[in-house]
Amino acid sequence: EAGVTQFPSHSVIEKGQTVTLRCDPISGHDNLYWYRRVMGKEIKFLLHFVKESKQDESGMPNNRFLAERTGGTYSTLKVQPAELEDSGVYFCASSQGQEQYFGPGTRLTVT
Amino acid sequence: GQQVMQIPQYQHVQEGEDFTTYCNSSTTLSNIQWYKQRPGGHPVFLIQLVKSGEVKKQKRLTFQFGEAKKNSSLHITATQTTDVGTYFCAEYQAGTALIFGKGTTLSVSS
Repeated sequence: EAGVTQFPSHSVIEKGQTVTLRCDPISGHDNLYWYRRVMGKEIKFLLHFVKESKQDESGMPNNRFLAERTGGTYSTLKVQPAELEDSGVYFCASSQGQEQYFGPGTRLTVT
Repeated sequence: GQQVMQIPQYQHVQEGEDFTTYCNSSTTLSNIQWYKQRPGGHPVFLIQLVKSGEVKKQKRLTFQFGEAKKNSSLHITATQTTDVGTYFCAEYQAGTALIFGKGTTLSVSS
């Protein structure tokens, strides 16, 4: 069974640019989560999809972040325009129950 | 909001020594999950505890959930170099997501 995949693995962009991260969950998993870990800090929840619907987006930092999950399969997280404090590792996770399966993450560096 | 406090932040041990990380909450936890993240890797689910006073073992790892369901611990007996990484506790909140502690980063020297 294929795990959660994320693309790209790394992204380096300049402040003010746009970046789109992609997550492909495990096939059949209705729940998809986005998390972010800033260096040295805890992993923080960003938002949760159930199929194509946003169940909870209370963790989204601000309106520069836009997440979509069209068709209830893969999800994208767009940051526009990126700021320096957006740097960190963005993890996607999927689940069908309480155990969450994490992807390898996208390391975003904003310079 | 709900916070899960985890200590210590860092721990260095000699191979063969034991290691323990602790999680605490000011409010009752519905459950506690433990994850391990290897250096450069991603969090991998280890276990979930739900019942008050629950103790579960996985080889050299022992997980405990406090009687009041406000604290939990992960104990590793006789650490090995393969145990290095960051150990996170997290509460799964139904209908939403995981609330993570800050993690304990374990380093092991041989």
